[in-house]
Amino acid sequence: QLQLHESGPGLVKPSETLSLTCTVSGGSISSSSYYWGWIRQPPGKGLEWVASSYYSGSTYYSPSLQRRLSISVDTSKNEFSLKLSSVTAADTAVYYCARDERKGWSGSNPTAGGFDLWGQGTMVTVSS
Amino acid sequence: DIQMTQSPSSLSASVGDRVTITCRASQAIGTYLNWYQQKPGKAPKLLIHAAYSLASGVPSRFSGRGSGTDFALTVNNLQPEDSATYFCQQSYTTPRTFGQGTKLEIK
Repeated sequence: QLQLHESGPGLVKPSETLSLTCTVSGGSISSSSYYWGWIRQPPGKGLEWVASSYYSGSTYYSPSLQRRLSISVDTSKNEFSLKLSSVTAADTAVYYCARDERKGWSGSNPTAGGFDLWGQGTMVTVSS
Repeated sequence: DIQMTQSPSSLSASVGDRVTITCRASQAIGTYLNWYQQKPGKAPKLLIHAAYSLASGVPSRFSGRGSGTDFALTVNNLQPEDSATYFCQQSYTTPRTFGQGTKLEIK
């Protein structure tokens, strides 16, 4: 059974770079059927999509985070990663990785079937 | 960006009741609408995908409907374990966007 697991530091200093990795086990990240995404949730608040990537390297970013964000897929390690630079307290959140079923296209935009598998989440606090 | 607006933001109901949560998209999204259930301290769980398709293992008392801009999640015969926060999410385009959530309390 495929599982996702986030890992990374739980505490990051302001202005530094937050780095997280999601390890996929029990299945291949190189499936043509899925995107691999990051979603975050500040304490007591709602869900915010951060970014998604396809195993071939295509990436899609939240416009509000794009200039600070980088995601990548490492098929040899069966994992994907997120880097968010110049963090502030506003980036404090539980970060989830999740699998998103790839559907097709709406014009030039990728359509999907929903995040059907999630990691357990990792809390990242930005504080000095 | 497509804005997703849920209502109500919270509701309280009794075991055995039927409740409906609505979600409106700021532009037409076909049936690219998904519903999630999240319990405290846990990752969200996909309940409904493509507006009305039940995800694997989800009880049949959950149902979804709608297309275009207006959608709804209905829970029949409420059970104590249905106490949670529910989110809608559009997967029609990027950025993917979520509703603000509806907290359901079981009396």
